[in-house]
Amino acid sequence: AQTVTQSQPEMSVQEAETVTLSCTYDTSESDYYLFWYKQPPSRQMILVIRQEAYKQQNATENRFSVNFQKAAKSFSLKISDSQLGDAAMYFCAYSEETSGSRLTFGEGTQLTVNP
Amino acid sequence: NAGVTQTPKFQVLKTGQSMTLQCAQDMNHNSMYWYRQDPGMGLRLIYYSASEGTTDKGEVPNGYNVSRLNKREFSLRLESAAPSQTSVYFCASKHLPGQSQETQYFGPGTRLLVL
Repeated sequence: AQTVTQSQPEMSVQEAETVTLSCTYDTSESDYYLFWYKQPPSRQMILVIRQEAYKQQNATENRFSVNFQKAAKSFSLKISDSQLGDAAMYFCAYSEETSGSRLTFGEGTQLTVNP
Repeated sequence: NAGVTQTPKFQVLKTGQSMTLQCAQDMNHNSMYWYRQDPGMGLRLIYYSASEGTTDKGEVPNGYNVSRLNKREFSLRLESAAPSQTSVYFCASKHLPGQSQETQYFGPGTRLLVL
């Protein structure tokens, strides 16, 4: 079974600084997708960024980018120019075709942004 | 366009009581999912429906049943609630089954407390 691990339960960053959240996963599949979701105190799950495993180029969405290392099964999220609104729980998630496209989530990293 | 809606938002049950959590989406999506989120853990899949007329077990199906009432609605039933089912429940949907790259859209969650 696929597993997703986030080894940092909590992280903090100063406003305007850069922070990197770590994620590793385990799979025997070669074709899959990885996601970062943000969950603010409202509990709403919000997609931050998505990466296709077959793409070598790292995905970027404005201030959010990933470092995807397929051989190492690593998928980290970098947040640049951190803003107070970035404070939230961040979940790494994995999906592949053979399991109904279900999402397998990591345990989450609670990000605090200090003014 | 409300997206994914869930009712109720919050519910308190006594051990042994039954209840149904409702989920509806207005995006004409084919696939729908039920997850639970426990403190310190990521979301875990309970059941999913890849398309209307089909349902499958996820990672933690014990104690639950589901009904895909029509394309829009996917309900989750607890026949005899237990304190271990205290959790936040999320419903999600996406357009096509088997397309793992697609974004899953989440509802706002239902917080369930079983005493």
